[in-house]
Amino acid sequence: QKEVEQDPGPLSVPEGAIVSLNCTYSNSAFQYFMWYRQYSRKGPELLMYTYSSGNKEDGRFTAQVDKSSKYISLFIRDSQPSDSATYLCAMKDTNAGKSTFGDGTTLTVKP
Amino acid sequence: DAGVIQSPRHEVTEMGQEVTLRCKPISGHNSLFWYRQTMMRGLELLIYFNNNVPIDDSGMPEDRFSAKMPNASFSTLKIQPSEPRDSAVYFCASSPDSSGNTIYFGEGSWLTVV
Repeated sequence: QKEVEQDPGPLSVPEGAIVSLNCTYSNSAFQYFMWYRQYSRKGPELLMYTYSSGNKEDGRFTAQVDKSSKYISLFIRDSQPSDSATYLCAMKDTNAGKSTFGDGTTLTVKP
Repeated sequence: DAGVIQSPRHEVTEMGQEVTLRCKPISGHNSLFWYRQTMMRGLELLIYFNNNVPIDDSGMPEDRFSAKMPNASFSTLKIQPSEPRDSAVYFCASSPDSSGNTIYFGEGSWLTVV
C-alpha cells in the first residue's frame, strides 16, 4: 500500500462547478501538506502549502487538512477551463527535506 | 527571475549509451531535488542535496545512476549505461531552504531510451 493515495480520476466538470480533490495517507508523521498543479508537458507548480490541521484559502482555492482522519482536500470554486490540469498532493514530516507525492488527479473543466 | 533550468529538454538515446541531465537551480536556493515521473510509478524522488551535499539518495534506482552538485548553481544526473526502462521525465527542483516545504520544479528532461 502506498503512503499517499490519490484517486487518479479523470474528473470532468462544467465551468463554474466546485471541484473537490482528495488524498489519504498512512504516515501519521506527516505535518506539511502541499498541492501542486501540473499542466501537460510541464513541471509541477506549487499551489498551496499548509502545516498541520486546518484550512487555508487562497483566492478560489481552499486546502483542508484533517490529520485525525489522515485526509486532505483541495477545493476549487468557480472552476475555469484554465484549471484543467493534473493535481498532485504531497506531504512530508518535519525532519525530512523530501516530499512524498500522490499519483495525481487529472481534472478537465469544460466550457 | 529565471526558474529552475534543465537541459536537454528532450533526449532520445540508444540503450547502453551514457545520458547526462543538467540542472541550474534558482539562485539563492540551497536545496536541490531530482525527481523521475512515469505513468506507472508517478513522481519519485531520486536524490536531494542541501548546500551541495547529498542528503538522501535512497531513491536512486541502482548504481547506473549517479548525481553530483559541484557548486550551488549546477547539478547533473547521469545514467550509465542507459536502459529502455529509464525512459521517463526527469525533473530537477529547488527549494529556498532545507525544509523542502516549498519546491520549485523545472520543466523536465524528457528521456527516451530505445
